[in-house]
Amino acid sequence: DVKVTQSSRYLVKRTGEKVFLECVQDMDHENMFWYRQDPGLGLRLIYFSYDVKMKEKGDIPEGYSVSREKKERFSLILESASTNQTSMYLCAISSGSTNTGELFFGEGSRLTVL
Amino acid sequence: AQSVSQHNHHVILSEAASLELGCNYSYGGTVNLFWYVQYPGQHLQLLLKYFSGDPLVKGIKGFEAEFIKSKFSFNLRKPSVQWSDTAEYFCAVNARDTGGFKTIFGAGTRLFVKA
Repeated sequence: DVKVTQSSRYLVKRTGEKVFLECVQDMDHENMFWYRQDPGLGLRLIYFSYDVKMKEKGDIPEGYSVSREKKERFSLILESASTNQTSMYLCAISSGSTNTGELFFGEGSRLTVL
Repeated sequence: AQSVSQHNHHVILSEAASLELGCNYSYGGTVNLFWYVQYPGQHLQLLLKYFSGDPLVKGIKGFEAEFIKSKFSFNLRKPSVQWSDTAEYFCAVNARDTGGFKTIFGAGTRLFVKA
């Protein structure tokens, strides 16, 4: 079974704080993604990565950055958290050399920014 | 840009009722299509997928979906729902976009099945 582990299930941060969300996979998958999930908006792609040290912007990258120093780890960074970044953040992976769209998700990190 | 539209945000059914959740997408090229489900307190998981071939695909737990290319649709169906089908359902489309292949999700449909 594919396992995607997100380090924090629940976080509460203050406006302006730096936030790290970590995602680790236990398989040798190349493609990793960060989405945010909001009621009525579904999942929106923030950033994705097809390889180590490689990153691509998704549809809503503003206010976020990512890091992929090792193949199994993909981190989402909020440099200066704001209240509109309160959301559920989902990490996902897909297998293979091309992204077919079949995704395996972590359990999510619910972030509240006060 | 790609977009995915789910017709219903909330659906309430009684057990044994039939279910159809609508999904339309806007992309003219080759697509891969998915339905994902999120049960209460659980992570998102794949319900079924369409890559090519028979446009009627069957997934887990008795769900099926039909790809109608001319209508850009991929509707989800189940003949008789159960209380345990209460969940949020997301339609998703994967296609080539600037920067590579992307998967775009619809807004989701919350299904509540009354026992």
